[in-house]
Amino acid sequence: NAGVTQTPKFQVLKTGQSMTLQCAQDMNHNSMYWYRQDPGMGLRLIYYSASEGTTDKGEVPNGYNVSRLNKREFSLRLESAAPSQTSVYFCASSEGTSGLEQFFGPGTRLTVL
Amino acid sequence: GQQVMQIPQYQHVQEGEDFTTYCNSSTTLSNIQWYKQRPGGHPVFLIQLVKSGEVKKQKRLTFQFGEAKKNSSLHITATQTTDVGTYFCAGSRVDSNYQLIWGAGTKLIIKP
Repeated sequence: NAGVTQTPKFQVLKTGQSMTLQCAQDMNHNSMYWYRQDPGMGLRLIYYSASEGTTDKGEVPNGYNVSRLNKREFSLRLESAAPSQTSVYFCASSEGTSGLEQFFGPGTRLTVL
Repeated sequence: GQQVMQIPQYQHVQEGEDFTTYCNSSTTLSNIQWYKQRPGGHPVFLIQLVKSGEVKKQKRLTFQFGEAKKNSSLHITATQTTDVGTYFCAGSRVDSNYQLIWGAGTKLIIKP
């Protein structure tokens, strides 16, 4: 089992460009999450999907959209990238909600110039 | 908004010394989780505490959850170079278990 996979690993964008970050899990988990990690600030939740077919905003959703394509896949889209979105993005999954253990992907390091 | 404060931000220790990181929440938590992130890596789950006053041990690591379920600590005895990384606490809210509220992390740096 690969666990949680993310693509790409690294990306450099110019301000205003768009891109989609891909995430897939092979653990048959119901819930999936997108976080961003900035130095000294821990992890902040962007969006989550409690189950297939549902998505909800987290703490910092502005500038992002998500799609829960199926049970395995959860993508994050930046429509018009801004330098403030330079960060490391982590996808995670868990069996369900209710504060269960989360499994993380390796992360995408995004730089917006 | 609801926050989980984690201190210290950094801790330098000599190999063999002990290490402790503390988390405090402004609201009661339903549970708290601890994660470790190695440099350049991703967070990896260590443990979950659910009960008031709970204490759990994993070899040299001791985790505690406060009686009021608002604070928690992680203590490492006799640190080793393999302990290097950033330790995060993440609390699950009483009114919504969907979201984990993350502390900012404590970076453990070991001097050889």
